[in-house]
Amino acid sequence: EAQVTQNPRYLITVTGKKLTVTCSQNMNHEYMSWYRQDPGLGLRQIYYSMNVEVTDKGDVPEGYKVSRKEKRNFPLILESPSPNQTSLYFCASSFVGLGPYNEQFFGPGTRLTVL
Amino acid sequence: AQKVTQAQTEISVVEKEDVTLDCVYETRDTTYYLFWYKQPPSGELVFLIRRNSFDEQNEISGRYSWNFQKSTSSFNFTITASQVVDSAVYFCALSGALTGANNLFFGTGTRLTVIP
Repeated sequence: EAQVTQNPRYLITVTGKKLTVTCSQNMNHEYMSWYRQDPGLGLRQIYYSMNVEVTDKGDVPEGYKVSRKEKRNFPLILESPSPNQTSLYFCASSFVGLGPYNEQFFGPGTRLTVL
Repeated sequence: AQKVTQAQTEISVVEKEDVTLDCVYETRDTTYYLFWYKQPPSGELVFLIRRNSFDEQNEISGRYSWNFQKSTSSFNFTITASQVVDSAVYFCALSGALTGANNLFFGTGTRLTVIP
């Protein structure tokens, strides 16, 4: 089954404790991206990657890191989480380009709470 | 820059009423895509429709219909004969070549509540 998986789905942590949210896709997609969703703000892009070893900042990259060492994985790293990073996080993947059949697949979301 | 505005924060309707969710966008791209996603209470994002900038034909899918008007930069979504299962947050989104074809810019969402 074609899918994007995220782990963990729920996480409660404390300020300053490094964490990683994993994202994996099985569709051989070049493009992967992270978004955060906050009430009243919709979804905002954190980082994206057009292919292995190619990453770039989105609209809200501060406090986050990413890596793309393998095509299927795109982990999101919070080196020193703060309460303002409490949010719902989505990973997405697709083939590169604006083709009419190029659907973007979203993971199920990771709800992160930083105390 | 890309911008999507969903001015309606929350809408409540009684079951079987029709409801229209508004979406207005801004872009300098000549080639772009518009999207609608549904987020039910369970939290996942459900893809509803993608429309490219060269196709202004309205689309109907069951009780759902979409009205794309480039002249007013709008891509409105109508649910006919609403049902309780339509209760969700709906997001309009935009992508375009100038800002990376795959990068989605979302509106702030409209929370629809359908009252039985």
